[in-house]
Amino acid sequence: AQSVTQLDSQVPVFEEAPVELRCNYSSSVSVYLFWYVQYPNQGLQLLLKYLSGSTLVKGINGFEAEFNKSQTSFHLRKPSVHISDTAEYFCAVRTFQGAQKLVFGQGTRLTINP
Amino acid sequence: NAGVTQTPKFQVLKTGQSMTLQCAQDMNHNSMYWYRQDPGMGLRLIYYSASEGTTDKGEVPNGYNVSRLNKREFSLRLESAAPSQTSVYFCASSPQGQSYNEQFFGPGTRLTVL
Repeated sequence: AQSVTQLDSQVPVFEEAPVELRCNYSSSVSVYLFWYVQYPNQGLQLLLKYLSGSTLVKGINGFEAEFNKSQTSFHLRKPSVHISDTAEYFCAVRTFQGAQKLVFGQGTRLTINP
Repeated sequence: NAGVTQTPKFQVLKTGQSMTLQCAQDMNHNSMYWYRQDPGMGLRLIYYSASEGTTDKGEVPNGYNVSRLNKREFSLRLESAAPSQTSVYFCASSPQGQSYNEQFFGPGTRLTVL
């Protein structure tokens, strides 16, 4: 079975500061990796995904994530955050084979202070 | 193109009442999913339907039933609501056949069971 751990439940940062949201996963088989964002009172939307190839993945809104197979991590980063980045962020995994089910982490609430 | 729509947006039930949450997608996707979101627990899969005519249990199916009415619609039924089912419910859909395809989420239904 797969599992995802997001190491921080809340991350407060100041506007224009850099941010890193941490995600570790556990799986006995190869997985695809995703980051989703949920703005207040909305559904989830895809930020970026890692399928194969380059371990550095770029997504929407200036976010990027790096896949580290040896550390089973997929941390999300942004060099300079904006007030509009205030949201909850979810890391998720899906196995290559079998049913197309996403396993989500617990979420990290990113709060941007002016 | 509305994407994934859910009704109702909000609902309050008394313990023991029943209700059906409706979900529809207009993207011609084969697979559909129901999740519940609880604070600090991320999203957990309740049921999914890999294709029209099939449904399977997810991580937390107890107390729920589903119906894949046709390719567009996937409903979730609570036969006898309990306070533990107070949650935000999300429906999602994705194309079939490629595990890395992202899931597209609806706006959610906020359910309170008194």
